[in-house]
Amino acid sequence: DAGVTQSPTHLIKTRGQQVTLRCSPKSGHDTVSWYQQALGQGPQFIFQYYEEEERQRGNFPDRFSGHQFPNYSSELNVNALLLGDSALYLCASSLAYTGRSYNEQFFGPGTRLTVL
Amino acid sequence: QKEVEQDPGPLSVPEGAIVSLNCTYSNSAFQYFMWYRQYSRKGPELLMYTYSSGNKEDGRFTAQVDKSSKYISLFIRDSQPSDSATYLCAMAWAAGNKLTFGGGTRVLVKP
Repeated sequence: DAGVTQSPTHLIKTRGQQVTLRCSPKSGHDTVSWYQQALGQGPQFIFQYYEEEERQRGNFPDRFSGHQFPNYSSELNVNALLLGDSALYLCASSLAYTGRSYNEQFFGPGTRLTVL
Repeated sequence: QKEVEQDPGPLSVPEGAIVSLNCTYSNSAFQYFMWYRQYSRKGPELLMYTYSSGNKEDGRFTAQVDKSSKYISLFIRDSQPSDSATYLCAMAWAAGNKLTFGGGTRVLVKP
């Protein structure tokens, strides 16, 4: 059973460019969350997708947008890249909250984005 | 002030020692408390979660939550060199909600 997969592994872009990162959730999961982890920091929540809609959003500008496809995979798009966008971008998948117990978020290995 | 505070370390201990990690938080709405382990160049991996206050034990790991003090702890007994990693605490208001992480504590267990 494959876990959460992300592509690409590494990416180098220049300021002002646009980037798309991809995530395939763990088999059976229907919810995808994206996090940004700067070097030496903890992950910060960007947004969460469920049923192809953005369900929750963190404190990130509109330059950050996403999409979820019918097969539950997801994309994170960042426009007008800034140097400060350099980070490890983590995707986490889970089952939608059922009201009975905590549903673990399983993290992928991340995509390391470097903005020059 | 950050919602979740965690000492960045590094915390260096000899093999076999008890590792003690903790986080403080400011938002009393948090109900779920998690500890993740992150190896270099890997995604975080869930070690334990606790709902509300209390203690939870799983093998060599013990998690404690004191909501009255807004303080959580993780203890690792009989530490091994393979426990060397960054440990992240995380919290959520509800089971399906976003995770709010601490900054992580880097732990080094020396043989």
